[in-house]
Amino acid sequence: NAGVTQTPKFQVLKTGQSMTLQCAQDMNHNSMYWYRQDPGMGLRLIYYSASEGTTDKGEVPNGYNVSRLNKREFSLRLESAAPSQTSVYFCATSSRENTEAFFGQGTRLTVV
Amino acid sequence: GQQVMQIPQYQHVQEGEDFTTYCNSSTTLSNIQWYKQRPGGHPVFLIQLVKSGEVKKQKRLTFQFGEAKKNSSLHITATQTTDVGTYFCAGPRGATNKLIFGTGTLLAVQP
Repeated sequence: NAGVTQTPKFQVLKTGQSMTLQCAQDMNHNSMYWYRQDPGMGLRLIYYSASEGTTDKGEVPNGYNVSRLNKREFSLRLESAAPSQTSVYFCATSSRENTEAFFGQGTRLTVV
Repeated sequence: GQQVMQIPQYQHVQEGEDFTTYCNSSTTLSNIQWYKQRPGGHPVFLIQLVKSGEVKKQKRLTFQFGEAKKNSSLHITATQTTDVGTYFCAGPRGATNKLIFGTGTLLAVQP
């Protein structure tokens, strides 16, 4: 029982490159989230998915796209990476709205 | 800008001293959650408060939800080195109840 699994754990990109961060959960949860964490800024919500096939913008969605093709997986795509997207990215899930969120181990992304 | 603010941003205490972090929302929250993130780790859920004026305790940790449901606090009595980490509050916002986190308070405990 892995819980919430994020891949990769570390990534270095050049400016302008694209990549997809993967998140998979085996908890049968409906809600899934992508956050970024930067020093002094806390955790900021990028995108949210309340259920399979639905997505909603969070606080800082610009420069990102997401895909929730099934209940288990929620991916985050950077189409053209910028140095400002250097951050630690966390995926999280919860069984439904307003309930405890479970986090993955995080992806440390550096854009040079 | 950030809709959920926490103060202080950083607190350094001697082991055995008490610690309090405050969480303030610009709007009323239906509930507030608290999380702890150890250095290098991921956030881990601590507790959820739902009722106006609610107070909950977990050993040395005391959590309060304000009467107006716009603020909350976490108080740690007699801190230990195991309390080191960043403490976040979080609450649901918007029509879809997205979970929005506060800015966090980093606690350092000197033995």
